[in-house]
Amino acid sequence: GENVEQHPSTLSVQEGDSAVIKCTYSDSASNYFPWYKQELGKRPQLIIDIRSNVGEKKDQRIAVTLNKTAKHFSLHITETQPEDSAVYFCAASIRWDGGSQGNLIFGKGTKLSVKP
Amino acid sequence: KAGVTQTPRYLIKTRGQQVTLSCSPISGHRSVSWYQQTPGQGLQFLFEYFSETQRNKGNFPGRFSGRQFSNSRSEMNVSTLELGDSALYLCASSLPDRGSYEQYFGPGTRLTVT
Repeated sequence: GENVEQHPSTLSVQEGDSAVIKCTYSDSASNYFPWYKQELGKRPQLIIDIRSNVGEKKDQRIAVTLNKTAKHFSLHITETQPEDSAVYFCAASIRWDGGSQGNLIFGKGTKLSVKP
Repeated sequence: KAGVTQTPRYLIKTRGQQVTLSCSPISGHRSVSWYQQTPGQGLQFLFEYFSETQRNKGNFPGRFSGRQFSNSRSEMNVSTLELGDSALYLCASSLPDRGSYEQYFGPGTRLTVT
């Protein structure tokens, strides 16, 4: 089955710096890769996602890149702010219109701390 | 639209008891998935329901079961509780039949087994 590895497990940056979190997946059939942000005591929130027919996607300060050949994808946060501090999870899944297979497989998470 | 809701938010049970958790998806969403979140194992997929049918199942023992009603609300049940079942149980809803892959999570039910 699918396995998702996520690195680093903790990341500390200064406010204004960039942060990069990397994930690798094992199943080449996976075609949907979301990223979730979870603040302490709160639900995971979808912040960005990418499908396998796209190499990069950007939403303001957040971007995700996907390398299907190497089976890895990354989250990039630029101009980090203290409110970006949270645990970030990557996930992989096989999805098609009207269906899915095995649902989301998550990485172990990265605790990001942004110091003012 | 209202988000995904889960009840109860907190629950304390004793080993050997059983528990039922409830999830109401976003209006119009027909798929509900359940996940267990623990510090050691992270987020693990339990099962997915779509149109009242279990469509996918994760690697959990048969003590974990679920169902979905005609209004898409879902329940999960854990029988013969063990200490290791203490976790945050999250449900997520989505619209897979509309080409929308995104899953939106509820606030979770914090289950403590003593």
